[in-house]
Amino acid sequence: NAGVMQNPRHLVRRRGQEARLRCSPMKGHSHVYWYRQLPEEGLKFMVYLQKENIIDESGMPKERFSAEFPKEGPSILRIQQVVRGDSAAYFCASSTTPRELSRPSQIKNIQYFGAGTRLSVL
Amino acid sequence: GEDVEQSLFLSVREGDSSVINCTYTDSSSTYLYWYKQEPGAGLQLLTYIFSNMDMKQDQRLTVLLNKKDKHLSLRIADTQTGDSAIYFCAEMSFRNNAGNMLTFGGGTRLMVKP
Repeated sequence: NAGVMQNPRHLVRRRGQEARLRCSPMKGHSHVYWYRQLPEEGLKFMVYLQKENIIDESGMPKERFSAEFPKEGPSILRIQQVVRGDSAAYFCASSTTPRELSRPSQIKNIQYFGAGTRLSVL
Repeated sequence: GEDVEQSLFLSVREGDSSVINCTYTDSSSTYLYWYKQEPGAGLQLLTYIFSNMDMKQDQRLTVLLNKKDKHLSLRIADTQTGDSAIYFCAEMSFRNNAGNMLTFGGGTRLMVKP
């Protein structure tokens, strides 16, 4: 059972170009989360998606960033017109059904992380 | 707002115990997690604890939770050089109807000296 797969592992872009980061969740997982890790910092939540729906994008910059999780295929995080400040490691995580509010002891929503995509903007 | 704090660095000798500490501010936190990140790699879930527990033990790992003080710790017994990594504390709390995002601390870099 393959884990969360992210590609590419490393991506180099020049300022102004577009970056596309892909994430295939674990088999059986229909929930995907994207996090960004700036150098020497912890991970910061960006966006949470289910198939064909964005559930929570409160951590994603309003401009230049977008995310999708189509019915078929991987989740894509897209960064348009990249700037040097976008250089970071971008991690994707996936989970099964989310925690149920009525049954908080159900640990079904453990997030499993991919190895990340390290974006360098020159 | 939510905030999770960790000390930046810990150095121990091989065979000693390591204790990594974490504090959080969100009193509605339900699950607290410890993840390990090795250089150039993703995050590996080590263990988690539900907020109605105060201790959980899993082989060499012991998690202690003081909910009153909002303090979480991870103890690694008999620390090995392979334990050298960055350890992240993360919390998940009830927020809106999604509420599944994790809030991470800045990570504690554990260095194990032979």
